[in-house]
Amino acid sequence: AQTVTQSQPEMSVQEAETVTLSCTYDTSESDYYLFWYKQPPSRQMILVIRQEAYKQQNATENRFSVNFQKAAKSFSLKISDSQLGDAAMYFCAYRRSYGGATNKLIFGTGTLLAVQP
Amino acid sequence: GAGVSQSPSNKVTEKGKDVELRCDPISGHTALYWYRQSLGQGLEFLIYFQGNSAPDKSGLPSDRFSAERTGGSVSTLTIQRTQQEDSAVYLCASSLTQGAEQYFGPGTRLTVT
Repeated sequence: AQTVTQSQPEMSVQEAETVTLSCTYDTSESDYYLFWYKQPPSRQMILVIRQEAYKQQNATENRFSVNFQKAAKSFSLKISDSQLGDAAMYFCAYRRSYGGATNKLIFGTGTLLAVQP
Repeated sequence: GAGVSQSPSNKVTEKGKDVELRCDPISGHTALYWYRQSLGQGLEFLIYFQGNSAPDKSGLPSDRFSAERTGGSVSTLTIQRTQQEDSAVYLCASSLTQGAEQYFGPGTRLTVT
């Protein structure tokens, strides 16, 4: 069974600084997707960034980028130039590659990010 | 267009009562998921619907939980004889097709007293 581990329950960053959130996962599959979701107090889960396992290039979305290390099964999220609006719970998630099976998301336990003004 | 909507936003019920939670997916989305977010268990998958196929119920925690999806659109998650451990946020997500991005609703916070 696949598992996702986030070892940092809470993180804090100063506004305009950079922070990295860690995520490791375990799977025996070679093709899959990894995601970072943001959940603000409104509870709405918002997709921040996704990474296809078959792509070696790390995904980037504006101030958000990932460091995907497939061999190490590591998938960290870097937030540059942190803003007050980045404060939220961040979840790392795994999903097997589409192949007729349920594409359910498997989530980590989350990291609560605080942004200090 | 409109996103995934869920109702009610919050629900308080007494132990032993039945509750129904509703999810309206994005129009045209064929896949629909229910997840539960609780302090003890984190975020966990409950059930998945894809078109007219039989649902994947592998995540339902007990036979008190059931769900249906009518007309390939609206879904209702029913919890019978609620227990305090059912207290959680129930999230619904939909995707255009199986394997596509999942878009989440704002969730229903269920409190069982």
